Amino acid sequence: DIQMTQSPSSLSASVGDRVTITCRASQSISNYLNWYQQKPGKAPKSLIYAASRLQSGVPSRFSGSGSGTDFTLTISSLQPEDFATYYCQQSYSTPPYTFGQGTKLEIK
Amino acid sequence: QVTLKESGPVLVKPTETLTLTCTVSGFSLSNTRMGVSWIRQPPGKALEWLAAIFSNDEKSYRTSLKSRLTISKDTFESQVVLSMTNMDPVDTATYYCARMYYYDRGYDAFDIWGQGTMVTVSS
Repeated sequence: DIQMTQSPSSLSASVGDRVTITCRASQSISNYLNWYQQKPGKAPKSLIYAASRLQSGVPSRFSGSGSGTDFTLTISSLQPEDFATYYCQQSYSTPPYTFGQGTKLEIK
Repeated sequence: QVTLKESGPVLVKPTETLTLTCTVSGFSLSNTRMGVSWIRQPPGKALEWLAAIFSNDEKSYRTSLKSRLTISKDTFESQVVLSMTNMDPVDTATYYCARMYYYDRGYDAFDIWGQGTMVTVSS
């Protein structure tokens, strides 16, 4: 199975900050990488697929990049509603679909 | 509007079988660009994919749980059912169903999720 490792596990930032979250795959997954946002008590929400393609309705302050084994999710200017946990997930070699352990983004 | 909604017991006893139903609306389970997966999340932990079913009725399972899982669908009723046998307290989690959408070039993602249903395993 392909293992997905996110860093950091948690992050404190302020409104307006630029934030980057990293996801690393245990082997090359080309750009078959998705990102999700989960708020407490809620279901995950799809943000980005194919490493860099924004889902419809997702604000343009979110962006994704990377290929191979290393990927990043960037939020260009944090908004109050962005404080959540973010997960990466690979869809290159399935089953299983595997997720990272999550990155919790907290208010500083 | 596309929605998925999970239903099933809130509490099951150890060794019992859990049966969860995902009722979908706004899309057809026969649509070749879509499938449905079950994903769970223990309290405070990460997401864990369990099983998927595709438009052609092909199924796939998490290897470590394959002997305990069965996924099926009723296209006419727009429902996907997951059964998990021999439940244990470690299976306590929120269980989600999610639509898998197939984009171009083989990309896919869980684009729409149900609200989730919390299942506790306890005697």
